[in-house]
Amino acid sequence: TQLLEQSPQFLSIQEGENLTVYCNSSSVFSSLQWYRQEPGEGPVLLVTVVTGGEVKKLKRLTFQFGDARKDSSLHITAAQTGDTGLYLCAGARNGGYNKLIFGAGTRLAVHP
Amino acid sequence: SAVISQKPSRDICQRGTSLTIQCQVDSQVTMMFWYRQQPGQSLTLIATANQGSEATYESGFVIDKFPISRPNLTFSTLTVSNMSPEDSSIYLCSVDRGGRETQYFGPGTRLLVL
Repeated sequence: TQLLEQSPQFLSIQEGENLTVYCNSSSVFSSLQWYRQEPGEGPVLLVTVVTGGEVKKLKRLTFQFGDARKDSSLHITAAQTGDTGLYLCAGARNGGYNKLIFGAGTRLAVHP
Repeated sequence: SAVISQKPSRDICQRGTSLTIQCQVDSQVTMMFWYRQQPGQSLTLIATANQGSEATYESGFVIDKFPISRPNLTFSTLTVSNMSPEDSSIYLCSVDRGGRETQYFGPGTRLLVL
């Protein structure tokens, strides 16, 4: 059972376009993390959100945690070719054990 | 954050053999995790390794197939035993640092089983 539904699975856009990736669940998470993974490398942490309704910005990336802590979104403004990669959301449940549940991932390709 | 290294970075193995993957962290950590990432897929947790106790395995993963050692607070190994082509994957270790359930990942070990 996939507890975290991530969409879209694939996204191919032109440089300069905006995009949003969604991560949804029927379960409540104590925190949610977004990672980016490039070919041949391990996932790199982008952000951790812990408070319902929280919004965090990282340059052109905006992350939002839903009020009920069941969903999250990642919005990229004016995408660049360097944003290409696999974006993964991961939720932590029942803080203390620290086990993460990963979404299926969104493979983003930004073309010049 | 944490600096994590894995050895080997990649390997090609024959079916029926075993491979041990090492994970080294630059500082002491309580929890280390081992994941599998099959081609084109997301990450699946294999087990959690705590120092001084046996690893805790997720559903679908067993100790006989994926024995894990955790001899100290900076090091862990994962062995993929009696390999078959279905074990071809990227194997990643991660550590829990900085609270808030944040995990940091190593670069991964790319395994191809022929």
